[in-house]
Amino acid sequence: SQKIEQNSEALNIQEGKTATLTCNYTNYSPAYLQWYRQDPGRGPVFLLLIRENEKEKRKERLKVTFDTTLKQSLFHITASQPADSATYLCALGAARQLTFGSGTQLTVLP
Amino acid sequence: ETGVTQSPTHLIKTRGQQVTLRCSSQSGHNTVSWYQQALGQGPQFIFQYYREEENGRGNFPPRFSGLQFPNYSSELNVNALELDDSALYLCASSLMENYNEQFFGPGTRLTVL
Repeated sequence: SQKIEQNSEALNIQEGKTATLTCNYTNYSPAYLQWYRQDPGRGPVFLLLIRENEKEKRKERLKVTFDTTLKQSLFHITASQPADSATYLCALGAARQLTFGSGTQLTVLP
Repeated sequence: ETGVTQSPTHLIKTRGQQVTLRCSSQSGHNTVSWYQQALGQGPQFIFQYYREEENGRGNFPPRFSGLQFPNYSSELNVNALELDDSALYLCASSLMENYNEQFFGPGTRLTVL
């Protein structure tokens, strides 16, 4: 069956460092992969999309990589700030449906 | 530009009851998708509506049903509520022509007692 795993339930890092979040999947061939941010009690907010034929995408302090051979995506936040503290969800897309991982809770310590 | 809105914000029901949740899509969007998010989990796709027709469904039983109206707003109906239906219900709107950019509403927190 399809499975999406995001690294460790919680990740704590020091302000100014780079946060790296992992999304691994099995038994899936997504056409694209997305990363969302979700704050407590709120809906997810779209951050970045990367397609199966792309290796890397950047947006301001965010970078995502997509390796379809390893079936893995890495999501990086450089120069992290306490305001980046949230849960980050990866989502795999195919046939107009999104399948989400369970998320990684990131805390950036001042 | 108006974002996605959902009502009500919170709802408490008892097992066996029926519930209707509402969603107004972002201005100009013609597609609405509904998701169920249990505590500590990622959202799970329930179904999607486009042009008032169901356009894809996840692994949810028929007691989960929906509607889309001509103004693209949508309803999610759940019959014969079970305790496990307690969750945050999210709707997301998009353009079918650009369906991979989905904009989520704040969700409705449903508690089934």
